Amino acid sequence: SAVISQKPSRDICQRGTSLTIQCQVDSQVTMMFWYRQQPGQSLTLIATANQGSEATYESGFVIDKFPISRPNLTFSTLTVSNMSPEDSSIYLCSGERDSSYNEQFFGPGTRLTVL
Amino acid sequence: AQKVTQAQTEISVVEKEDVTLDCVYETRDTTYYLFWYKQPPSGELVFLIRRNSFDEQNEISGRYSWNFQKSTSSFNFTITASQVVDSAVYFCALSEVDSSYKLIFGSGTRLLVRP
Repeated sequence: SAVISQKPSRDICQRGTSLTIQCQVDSQVTMMFWYRQQPGQSLTLIATANQGSEATYESGFVIDKFPISRPNLTFSTLTVSNMSPEDSSIYLCSGERDSSYNEQFFGPGTRLTVL
Repeated sequence: AQKVTQAQTEISVVEKEDVTLDCVYETRDTTYYLFWYKQPPSGELVFLIRRNSFDEQNEISGRYSWNFQKSTSSFNFTITASQVVDSAVYFCALSEVDSSYKLIFGSGTRLLVRP
């Protein structure tokens, strides 16, 4: 499996501001995903980060609120825009090296608190 | 539609007891994968096992074992001789070929192993 790092590991932000989370994989992966885990809840897929094209968003998530970039096969960013306290969650990045192998490994997560 | 149900919200056992975590899934695909992840208090997601839909063999890894039964759409996880370090939230997840291998997570089971 590959190693995924995320920055920042945690942050406390003010309502109305935006935060960009970085995800770095130590080797090339075919697919990258962003998940949200609200307090005490399970993980929900936000979007699939596509290299060189727009991300594919799940129902309930939109690009204006969660813009995503993936400039290459090892790096992606997720921005949480115009934050409100409801955005307080852990945001996790995951990677999958080969879709036929189908093993997703996860980063350590970014713990976001919005005041 | 795909769905993963973990009916046990919390389980508390005394160290050295055996414990089984239940997972029931729904899918229309014939090709799919099932996963178990562990999320300790530190928050990172630790991959435990992946099983594809064509492999119903049970698997044992040390104190961990998994029972996959397609007839009942279940993929249960047993920890033998539990230890305090097993305390964590455990997630069962499903991915389908027809859904680009996106992971659908169950709600998780919080396991507390008391000394």
